[in-house]
Amino acid sequence: DGGITQSPKYLFRKEGQNVTLSCEQNLNHDAMYWYRQDPGQGLRLIYYSQIVNDFQKGDIAEGYSVSREKKESFPLTVTSAQKNPTAFYLCASSRGLGGQAYSNQPQHFGDGTRLSIL
Amino acid sequence: QQQVKQSPQSLIVQKGGISIINCAYENTAFDYFPWYQQFPGKGPALLIAIRPDVSEKKEGRFTISFNKSAKQFSLHIMDSQPGDSATYFCAASTISNFGNEKLTFGTGTRLTIIP
Repeated sequence: DGGITQSPKYLFRKEGQNVTLSCEQNLNHDAMYWYRQDPGQGLRLIYYSQIVNDFQKGDIAEGYSVSREKKESFPLTVTSAQKNPTAFYLCASSRGLGGQAYSNQPQHFGDGTRLSIL
Repeated sequence: QQQVKQSPQSLIVQKGGISIINCAYENTAFDYFPWYQQFPGKGPALLIAIRPDVSEKKEGRFTISFNKSAKQFSLHIMDSQPGDSATYFCAASTISNFGNEKLTFGTGTRLTIIP
């Protein structure tokens, strides 16, 4: 079955520690995204990548970093600079460049990683 | 800056009734309006979407109504069932050159269907 796999499902971070959230997709999608979900605030875009070796900041990139070395993988690092990291993190992908230009390519989401502070 | 405003925050509907969730947007460049459904502990899943060249789109029990002049759109769930209990998000985006969109999400509506 094609889909998006996020791991781990639950993650705990100590003060001053960096942690990395994994996102893998086997949908052959070009575009990948990271969102943060907080109660009552909907989903906010952290970073997105339209193609391998390229990525752009979203609306709330401070305290986060990403890499896109492989088409199927888009890991997110929550650094110690992110002072309020407790949230539900969602990874998504869409066909992007592989799809028809000037049309809408739906985003497919993983089942998230819940990050908490110890 | 909240570009997509969603209401109500929570909604309780009796089984068999109609659930209605409303969204309003500010950016007139938005031209794609999807709705996502999210169950606890899961990621959102695309439910239905509309482009502004039509005023209504129906898929089964789910209907989007779109009012371009008022910059509003709504989700109607007919014959609501307990299995529809979930959080619903509206979203909006503009079409990019590459076919992938940057979505702006509403704040979500927690829908509960009671027997």
